[in-house]
Amino acid sequence: SQQGEEDPQALSIQEGENATMNCSYKTSINNLQWYRQNSGRGLVHLILIRSNEREKHSGRLRVTLDTSKKSSSLLITASRAADTASYFCATGQPLTVDTGRRALTFGSGTRLQVQP
Amino acid sequence: DTEVTQTPKHLVMGMTNKKSLKCEQHMGHRAMYWYKQKAKKPPELMFVYSYEKLSINESVPSRFSPECPNSSLLNLHLHALQPEDSALYLCASSQERSSYNEQFFGPGTRLTVL
Repeated sequence: SQQGEEDPQALSIQEGENATMNCSYKTSINNLQWYRQNSGRGLVHLILIRSNEREKHSGRLRVTLDTSKKSSSLLITASRAADTASYFCATGQPLTVDTGRRALTFGSGTRLQVQP
Repeated sequence: DTEVTQTPKHLVMGMTNKKSLKCEQHMGHRAMYWYKQKAKKPPELMFVYSYEKLSINESVPSRFSPECPNSSLLNLHLHALQPEDSALYLCASSQERSSYNEQFFGPGTRLTVL
């Protein structure tokens, strides 16, 4: 079952504009991660924010986390055509009680189209 | 080497065929994963291997059979698949001892079942 829901489902912007994607989740988390996927390819890890962090930056990426609202946002500043991809949030949760092993559960994703 | 490789890139098979997908990583990761991804959907976890032992099977049908021959290799054996099994199959790996579980993904195998 999907843990996260993302909005918008699709976003189309012009190069140079900022893109904001939101992710909501339902249960308590250890961390929240954002991944990028180019069409039909594997996922690439972008950034991880821990549950005790509120904001994190990496280059043109800014991620926020609000655990009280169970939501996160990913901001891509000064977007480029090469940023065109699907973006997924993923939450790390325990899957088994006995071992506490964790695995990722992915949100539904936002398809970003950056027009040159 | 920070790469996860998968072979083949594309696979077309009939419902009576037996085939295998392969995944390899040389990052020393001791956790490896298989995901299934349908078009315009997020990846769905199928199996997790930890230290070459199957630790999680997310109620996957028995026509999918995973195997972890050693710490660098992960296979997914396919038998008697259905057309609805057509999807992108992604392999990933992570440091088992990391509590944050950042995962490294391969490029995937695009599977078509006729």
